[in-house]
Amino acid sequence: GENVEQHPSTLSVQEGDSAVIKCTYSDSASNYFPWYKQELGKRPQLIIDIRSNVGEKKDQRIAVTLNKTAKHFSLHITETQPEDSAVYFCAASRAEYGNKLVFGAGTILRVKS
Amino acid sequence: SQTIHQWPATLVQPVGSPLSLECTVEGTSNPNLYWYRQAAGRGLQLLFYSVGIGQISSEVPQNLSASRPQDRQFILSSKKLLLSDSGFYLCAWTGTGWPGANVLTFGAGSRLTVL
Repeated sequence: GENVEQHPSTLSVQEGDSAVIKCTYSDSASNYFPWYKQELGKRPQLIIDIRSNVGEKKDQRIAVTLNKTAKHFSLHITETQPEDSAVYFCAASRAEYGNKLVFGAGTILRVKS
Repeated sequence: SQTIHQWPATLVQPVGSPLSLECTVEGTSNPNLYWYRQAAGRGLQLLFYSVGIGQISSEVPQNLSASRPQDRQFILSSKKLLLSDSGFYLCAWTGTGWPGANVLTFGAGSRLTVL
């Protein structure tokens, strides 16, 4: 089955700096890669996703890149703000398997002001 | 629009007591439904998923069970809680079909403390 590894487990950055979180996956047939943000005590919420037919997707300060050959994808947050502090999870899945997402272990991002 | 409801939001239960968490989805039909557990400071562990009424797949052997008595209702149960059952339980749903079906939306969660 699919296995998703996520690094780093914690990341501290200064406000205004960029943050990068990386994930690798094992199943070459996976074709959907979402990122979720979870604030303390809240539910995880989808912030951006990418499908295997594109290599990069941007939404304001957030971007995700996908390298299918190397089987890794990354989340990039530019001009970080204190409200970006949260736990971020990557995930991967194949559409034909009932949409079961396999999650990475999460990255705690702290943005220091 | 679709919404997902989950309750209770918090509960404190003694070891050996039963458990019932309920989740319902509105605004869609035939959703795929999921139960995840998140232990303190840990990742998201898939416990059960369901693609239809009465169809339950278990991902991890454990002290819990799930049922789907109606199309948009998903219930997580236990007959006797263990200390290790403490955690944050999240119900989630996805639609069916491609594209868009993979978008997993979580309920607000139920925080269970077993004492």
